[in-house]
Amino acid sequence: EAAVTQSPRNKVAVTGGKVTLSCNQTNNHNNMYWYRQDTGHGLRLIHYSYGAGSTEKGDIPDGYKASRPSQENFSLILELATPSQTSVYFCASGGDWGGGNTLYFGAGTRLSVL
Amino acid sequence: QQKVQQSPESLIVPEGAMTSLNCTFSDSASQYFAWYRQHSGKAPKALMSIFSNGEKEEGRFTIHLNKASLHFSLHIRDSQPSDSALYLCAVSASGGNYKPTFGKGTSLVVHP
Repeated sequence: EAAVTQSPRNKVAVTGGKVTLSCNQTNNHNNMYWYRQDTGHGLRLIHYSYGAGSTEKGDIPDGYKASRPSQENFSLILELATPSQTSVYFCASGGDWGGGNTLYFGAGTRLSVL
Repeated sequence: QQKVQQSPESLIVPEGAMTSLNCTFSDSASQYFAWYRQHSGKAPKALMSIFSNGEKEEGRFTIHLNKASLHFSLHIRDSQPSDSALYLCAVSASGGNYKPTFGKGTSLVVHP
């Protein structure tokens, strides 16, 4: 089973502060993704990456940056956090055609911006 | 932009029932279709996927895909209380630039 680890699991931030969410995968997947999940909206794609050094904008990228310094690590950065970014954030890896396009999700990070 | 809609939003069924969940999509070029299950407080986990028109069965679960109707569905035979969860469908237009779009989910409760 693919392993995706997110940190921290819970985070309380202040409005205007900087927040970094980290994700590590040990399965050598090329693709990695950041989603947020809110009641009534399902999973919405923020940023994704096809490999080290690459980042792509998803459907709701405003207010977020992403960084993929290596095959294993993918970070989501909120430079100026706002209360509207309070949510549960999921990182995923996978989506490789040879692997049936299956995504493997981390356990999630619950972020509260006060 | 791909639009993915699920119905119903929520469903309550008795143990042993057949459960049917629906997903419609907007991009006729879509090539990859999947269902994920998310138990309360947990991460989504892949259930099944399908690439071509037709039907695929794995145990108690069956996917039907009709690309012409822009519709696919998940059927759960002999539903169990442990099947109670949020079910998410995912659609992607291309396997090369894989960027799945998820529906909002169907919340299923199976009562004993």
